[in-house]
Amino acid sequence: GNSVTQMEGPVTLSEEAFLTINCTYTATGYPSLFWYVQYPGEGLQLLLKATKADDKGSNKGFEATYRKETTSFHLEKGSVQVSDSAVYFCALSDLGYGGSQGNLIFGKGTKLSVKP
Amino acid sequence: EAQVTQNPRYLITVTGKKLTVTCSQNMNHEYMSWYRQDPGLGLRQIYYSMNVEVTDKGDVPEGYKVSRKEKRNFPLILESPSPNQTSLYFCASSSSGDLGFQYFGPGTRLLVL
Repeated sequence: GNSVTQMEGPVTLSEEAFLTINCTYTATGYPSLFWYVQYPGEGLQLLLKATKADDKGSNKGFEATYRKETTSFHLEKGSVQVSDSAVYFCALSDLGYGGSQGNLIFGKGTKLSVKP
Repeated sequence: EAQVTQNPRYLITVTGKKLTVTCSQNMNHEYMSWYRQDPGLGLRQIYYSMNVEVTDKGDVPEGYKVSRKEKRNFPLILESPSPNQTSLYFCASSSSGDLGFQYFGPGTRLLVL
């Protein structure tokens, strides 16, 4: 079945450090890929997405490229800030091609803490 | 302002006492869903609804019920809560044209004693 695997946390970085959170997926068909972010005490919100191979999603300085050959969608940011401290979830949506229509399948989340 | 609201935000109850968590969205979205979030397990889908009167089971539906009588509301019902349903619950909605872009509510933290 479809699944998402992301690196386990927590990840602790100093401000202005480079961030990579690894995400790989297993899916039939042609999934769309997403990164969601959950700030402390809040619900999840969409950070970025990519709908086909080689697409790059970007938002708020974060980027991720849909790599079909390595089934990966790693999240990167060149210089993190304290305000980026949150839990990051990788997810896939295998819409209209087997599976359950509309399901987002989430990874387990990676907690990021950025120290001043 | 586009939003998904949930009530209550926090709830402590006892085993077997029926409860309902409400969810409402103001974006005229067709799709709505319930998730639970547990440490080390991430988010797991409980139930979802593609439109009014259309609901389906997610990955962990046991012990839960839902209904979708109106487009904006999607309540989650625990008819006989048990301690293993202690969790953080999220409601989400999206348009049928972009099901991967889901708007999440703020969450309901439930403790079942």
